[in-house]
Amino acid sequence: GESVGLHLPTLSVQEGDNSIINCAYSNSASDYFIWYKQESGKGPQFIIDIRSNMDKRQGQRVTVLLNKTVKHLSLQIAATQPGDSAVYFCAENIGYALNFGKGTSLLVTP
Amino acid sequence: KAGVTQTPRYLIKTRGQQVTLSCSPISGHRSVSWYQQTPGQGLQFLFEYFSETQRNKGNFPGRFSGRQFSNSRSEMNVSTLELGDSALYLCASSHGGTNQETQYFGPGTRLLVL
Repeated sequence: GESVGLHLPTLSVQEGDNSIINCAYSNSASDYFIWYKQESGKGPQFIIDIRSNMDKRQGQRVTVLLNKTVKHLSLQIAATQPGDSAVYFCAENIGYALNFGKGTSLLVTP
Repeated sequence: KAGVTQTPRYLIKTRGQQVTLSCSPISGHRSVSWYQQTPGQGLQFLFEYFSETQRNKGNFPGRFSGRQFSNSRSEMNVSTLELGDSALYLCASSHGGTNQETQYFGPGTRLLVL
């Protein structure tokens, strides 16, 4: 079946570096994508979203890029901080439901 | 504005029992969705309610059910619990007017089935 997947299960970066988390999707009809951050013991927290009529969207220290040609999303975190350590999920909106990828664990080392 | 709240936060049950989980959405939100999160399967969609009607349903057995009240609060019920039902159950809310809205999650209910 169609799904959202993540390329890497874990990512380790040094504090101050930029982080890039990737996500592939297979449903060409998907038109809305969201990135969530989940810290241990908490529910997913909204980071940023993007609609299919956009290629790029920026937030505070985060940027999401959408490449519809190859069905690929990425989340870029600038100047990664220890507080960014968490699991990051890409999700696509299918009707009134979210289809989540497996998640990437981001570890920020001093 | 208060976020999504879920009760209880932790629950221990035995096989064969049933359980009811509760979710209060963000004020003004009319859509409530439920998800199951396990290490093996990740986050999976259970169902979504809007204005007391189930609008979308995931691929879960009939033992999983839900409902929504007129104040948008929602409950989900799992009957005849199995060991595999041990999971974090997450509730999310949104305004619900379109299918391109951000869903905001609660902290979840951690269910352990023994």
